[in-house]
Amino acid sequence: QSVLTQPPSASGTPGQRVTISCSGSSSNIESNSVYWYQQLPGTAPKVLIYRDIRRPSGVPDRFSASKSGTSASLALNGLQSEDEAVYYCAAWDDSLSGRVFGGGTKLTVL
Amino acid sequence: EVQLVESGGRLVQPGGSLTLSCVASGFIFSDHYMDWVRQAPGKGLEWVGRTRNKANSHTTEYAASVKGRFTISRDDSKNSVYLQMNSLKTEDTAVYYCVGGIVGAFDYWGQGTLVSVSS
Repeated sequence: QSVLTQPPSASGTPGQRVTISCSGSSSNIESNSVYWYQQLPGTAPKVLIYRDIRRPSGVPDRFSASKSGTSASLALNGLQSEDEAVYYCAAWDDSLSGRVFGGGTKLTVL
Repeated sequence: EVQLVESGGRLVQPGGSLTLSCVASGFIFSDHYMDWVRQAPGKGLEWVGRTRNKANSHTTEYAASVKGRFTISRDDSKNSVYLQMNSLKTEDTAVYYCVGGIVGAFDYWGQGTLVSVSS
């Protein structure tokens, strides 16, 4: 049971917009930065979003994020086949004094 | 170019010990916290622990699942971080990733090293 809650799966067709939610609490998402990671099959996770909404250079602006209270979300616009991956949210948890991850959302491009 | 290279993963028997290493390059290692994150086969990501940077006295934090069994240390002169794992259990089987970051900035991940705990 993950501290951060994500839907296990999501799907969309090429060109569509898809959103992935991440629900937490006052001790993690509400009070600390949220990160989003993309993990392609057989590879290490790659950071897509840091400090809630910021994208590292090289991450397409098709990826965006938002945060409100104890929840965060990742949006993918103009879905592409290469976006098929597992997406994780993460944040520091002040109560646990540790980093917590969501269980991951497997995105399928139909 | 930033690189994090983990090593030391192998097959080990339950109850055994193992030390993983991670060598970093391409960024100012001493300014960064260093985490270990693991991923069991077919499962999600699990944070293992952290060693903070020199400014924060290299303090450490651990996940409850490994506290008392695992120890994280670092050698800033060698741009290296270590994960000493004792009393290994079958449920510790995972790919272990080394992660470096600065609070408020994005982080860097290594490619991982596989630890298998089995008799």
